[in-house]
Amino acid sequence: SQTIHQWPATLVQPVGSPLSLECTVEGTSNPNLYWYRQAAGRGLQLLFYSVGIGQISSEVPQNLSASRPQDRQFILSSKKLLLSDSGFYLCACWVPGATGELFFGEGSRLTVL
Amino acid sequence: AQSVSQHNHHVILSEAASLELGCNYSYGGTVNLFWYVQYPGQHLQLLLKYFSGDPLVKGIKGFEAEFIKSKFSFNLRKPSVQWSDTAEYFCAVTTNAGKSTFGDGTTLTVKP
Repeated sequence: SQTIHQWPATLVQPVGSPLSLECTVEGTSNPNLYWYRQAAGRGLQLLFYSVGIGQISSEVPQNLSASRPQDRQFILSSKKLLLSDSGFYLCACWVPGATGELFFGEGSRLTVL
Repeated sequence: AQSVSQHNHHVILSEAASLELGCNYSYGGTVNLFWYVQYPGQHLQLLLKYFSGDPLVKGIKGFEAEFIKSKFSFNLRKPSVQWSDTAEYFCAVTTNAGKSTFGDGTTLTVKP
């Protein structure tokens, strides 16, 4: 079965600094990949999804961007972080034709000071 | 666009009590329904899912959920909770390929 790795697990960054969160997937090919942000009491908000290399769809306007340079690599970035970018970011994977559920990484907690 | 509503934000129960967490969704088409669980310090994982067929589905650890199409509901139940069920529970609806909409989550605390 697929395994999702995220790093770093924890990150503290000053306002205005750049961001790069990385997600890699093992155990499957051609997955759909997703970045979610989880806020306490607010559930999971879909930020970006990708159905293939170089294909990115943004769900909400924001200060962040995503890229998919390889089939099993998904990166969340920002050129200049805002305080409001603080949160818990989850990468998820969905395999077409498989069992239907999302598989999640362990998350990256970002604190912007 | 679809939406998911979880009625209880925080539930506190004693061990052996029965559990029911409400979930209602809004979408006019065919949906796939999921409950995910996040135990403290762990990542989100699937608890159970409904695609089609028997509307009563069973998941891991004694959980079950019933899909009631007329009520747009997919409530989660467990007859007797344990301390180890303390976790956050999320209901989700998937209408497009893997693009899921989640409820706000319910934090369950089970007192020993």
